Amino acid sequence: RKEVEQDPGPFNVPEGATVAFNCTYSNSASQSFFWYRQDCRKEPKLLMSVYSSGNEDGRFTAQLNRASQYISLLIRDSKLSDSATYLCVAPYAGGTSYGKLTFGQGTILTVHP
Amino acid sequence: EPEVTQTPSHQVTQMGQEVILRCVPISNHLYFYWYRQILGQKVEFLVSFYNNEISEKSEIFDDQFSVERPDGSNFTLKIRSTKLEDSAMYFCASRLAPGQGIGNQPQHFGDGTRLSIL
Repeated sequence: RKEVEQDPGPFNVPEGATVAFNCTYSNSASQSFFWYRQDCRKEPKLLMSVYSSGNEDGRFTAQLNRASQYISLLIRDSKLSDSATYLCVAPYAGGTSYGKLTFGQGTILTVHP
Repeated sequence: EPEVTQTPSHQVTQMGQEVILRCVPISNHLYFYWYRQILGQKVEFLVSFYNNEISEKSEIFDDQFSVERPDGSNFTLKIRSTKLEDSAMYFCASRLAPGQGIGNQPQHFGDGTRLSIL
């Protein structure tokens, strides 16, 4: 299994839709994760930290299932500005987040009018 | 909000030449990183740096690569003899050390240097 694996998409959804992305990770020792978004040819920008069983920030909800080594990101009421690539990111083995980050290949989202 | 800054934004270099990519991390951060992203591929870790030394490096970070923190603000990546396959976006990142903040601190990325090797 790849260290961090995502469905590359693309996901094409209308404004206002709810969309969910999935991510699996191979290192069971990882304790926390991140979702970053990346616009075309730009830097990754932190969207959410994912810890415990999950957390919510406005329209965004992240969930973590340690038993299945699975992370999800749910976006409600999609906006045109949500169009981007969403990166699932895991810290290095051992779970501490000050080590290297391992990125998934990203899931492409396009929100259309 | 403080941010990581990188210069130049775009560097075009002949194969075999040396390049130095520059980064100014966020001022109170203590961990520094370089990543690269080849066009169409995922972001890959190169090296991490703490307390004036490399703490970890990937297989990509071979003898052609080096990092330095020449003063209290800059963090540089040098590629000694560039190859065509070094063409990529190079991102610098920084983060607080454990104990500096609350919870697990994420890494903050600069807007990258696009390196084109001809």
